[in-house]
Amino acid sequence: EAEVAQSPRYKITEKSQAVAFWCDPISGHATLYWYRQILGQGPELLVQFQDESVVDDSQLPKDRFSAERLKGVDSTLKIQPAELGDSAMYLCASSFLGTSVYYEQYFGPGTRLTVT
Amino acid sequence: LAKTTQPISMDSYEGQEVNITCSHNNIATNDYITWYQQFPSQGPRFIIQGYKTKVTNEVASLFIPADRKSSTLSLPRVSLSDTAVYYCLVGDRGAGNNRKLIWGLGTSLAVNP
Repeated sequence: EAEVAQSPRYKITEKSQAVAFWCDPISGHATLYWYRQILGQGPELLVQFQDESVVDDSQLPKDRFSAERLKGVDSTLKIQPAELGDSAMYLCASSFLGTSVYYEQYFGPGTRLTVT
Repeated sequence: LAKTTQPISMDSYEGQEVNITCSHNNIATNDYITWYQQFPSQGPRFIIQGYKTKVTNEVASLFIPADRKSSTLSLPRVSLSDTAVYYCLVGDRGAGNNRKLIWGLGTSLAVNP
């Protein structure tokens, strides 16, 4: 069964350092999502791509976060500089149809970020 | 914005049927209701989706009344492995054709032996 791949699974970094996460969606999925999930809360959408275009980044802290999906396939989420409050699980998801009402998203295993 | 309200937590025992109700008073006409399951340290997993009346798959059933202002996820004969957080989501109309999902806190289900 096809899966969304993410790396690394765990990352520990010091505040003010740069950190990057990588996601490879399920083949053929045009829509890719990056979420941040703080322990005990639901996922919060950071950015949504349709192919290589950003369709929603309203919740992305653009002063320190950036995301790209250059060829419309895999994607990278970067934080620079990292802050203590960025400690969370970063989840990547993909779906076949982006603007459809059908919201079946497939999630990767996530990257657990700890900022010290 | 469409918003959902679910119980924060529920307890059950193995073999029982569990019903988790979600309130979504401001659901839009074209919105679907979707439920996800999440185990600790894993990404959420799609369970079921519906628009109205009843939907059933191999894992769960989803009951949606005619006014669509609530929905109930039914898990038949739960086992210990069903211990997880369950999220109810409805579509939200964003700007233009963008549709944003709002994830709440979910319902933490604990199944006891």
